[in-house]
Amino acid sequence: QKEVEQDPGPLSVPEGAIVSLNCTYSNSAFQYFMWYRQYSRKGPELLMYTYSSGNKEDGRFTAQVDKSSKYISLFIRDSQPSDSATYLCAMTGGGADGLTFGKGTHLIIQP
Amino acid sequence: EAQVTQNPRYLITVTGKKLTVTCSQNMNHEYMSWYRQDPGLGLRQIYYSMNVEVTDKGDVPEGYKVSRKEKRNFPLILESPSPNQTSLYFCASSSTGTGGPYEQYFGPGTRLTVT
Repeated sequence: QKEVEQDPGPLSVPEGAIVSLNCTYSNSAFQYFMWYRQYSRKGPELLMYTYSSGNKEDGRFTAQVDKSSKYISLFIRDSQPSDSATYLCAMTGGGADGLTFGKGTHLIIQP
Repeated sequence: EAQVTQNPRYLITVTGKKLTVTCSQNMNHEYMSWYRQDPGLGLRQIYYSMNVEVTDKGDVPEGYKVSRKEKRNFPLILESPSPNQTSLYFCASSSTGTGGPYEQYFGPGTRLTVT
């Protein structure tokens, strides 16, 4: 069983829609959860970082972590064509543990 | 500007010809790491370094070497490249001030083709 599962998409939605991106994981030791955005031919860019369960909001982006269900989400409100990218979830147990990445969801926002 | 730089950005080489991909960061980060990204496999960690002279294997270290002689630099060495090392490589760095390398900042990537 893979440690982090993420639907690769593509997920195509109209401009202005609310987007929901999700990852599930199996390792209960994960405590730190990140979302990265990767544009084509670019390096991943850190969007959000949360510790343990709960919500975190930053502008149009909201990250949710439900450790009891081993499920994390990223919501994008008022989606824009510039949000079109691949979104990667990542997580770690902490300390010297490396990040475990999902394979990414390709998001397309249609003008 | 805070950044992670990698050179070269694109490289085509032949099997067995030693090469080095350089990585440098200007954020005084303790932690640095190398990843490779392949279609269908996602990002996988090759090696990481928690600080100067401290390196350790990631998930896919075979065929790679690293060194960390200075805090800002973390070169990736392929002593005898093979075609299965054709990939997109990313260097990343992070502070460990919050207890671990959670907020990793990535370089622009190096696209390597080994023929």
